[in-house]
Amino acid sequence: RKEVEQDPGPFNVPEGATVAFNCTYSNSASQSFFWYRQDCRKEPKLLMSVYSSGNEDGRFTAQLNRASQYISLLIRDSKLSDSATYLCVVNTGTGGFKTIFGAGTRLFVKA
Amino acid sequence: DVKVTQSSRYLVKRTGEKVFLECVQDMDHENMFWYRQDPGLGLRLIYFSYDVKMKEKGDIPEGYSVSREKKERFSLILESASTNQTSMYLCASSSPSGRASETQYFGPGTRLLVL
Repeated sequence: RKEVEQDPGPFNVPEGATVAFNCTYSNSASQSFFWYRQDCRKEPKLLMSVYSSGNEDGRFTAQLNRASQYISLLIRDSKLSDSATYLCVVNTGTGGFKTIFGAGTRLFVKA
Repeated sequence: DVKVTQSSRYLVKRTGEKVFLECVQDMDHENMFWYRQDPGLGLRLIYFSYDVKMKEKGDIPEGYSVSREKKERFSLILESASTNQTSMYLCASSSPSGRASETQYFGPGTRLLVL
């Protein structure tokens, strides 16, 4: 079993749709959680951190369920520019030395 | 603005060649990382360094070595390139904090093809 698992997609949605990505992790000692975004042929960039209380940044909402070892990302009112791969990232140690990246979920937003 | 640069965007090498990939960051970060990214496998950590001249093996160090002589520079070396090392190589840096929550900043990546 992979340490961090994501549905690879692709998700094909129309503009304006709401789309949700899920991610599960296997190490219950994991300490911090993130979503990164990676555009085609580009490097990953931090989208947002994920906090236990849940957090929102504009159209993006991240949730963490420690009991179920599950992270989610919700995108509302999808834009064409949201088309990218979304990486779920989990830190299981301090100093970033045990950072596990999911393989990513591909999103295509169509006009 | 934070910046991580990598010496090449694309490289084509022959089997058995020695390959050097260089990464430079201008953020005075202590931590630097080398990953490879392959379809369906995500990013896998090859080596990391938390200080000058310090290095630690990641999950897939076989066939690679690294060098960190200066804080801003972290080099990845393929001693004898093989076709299974064809991949996208990504360098990242981060600054340690009291919590395991620091962001990693990535370079643009080097696409290496080994023939």
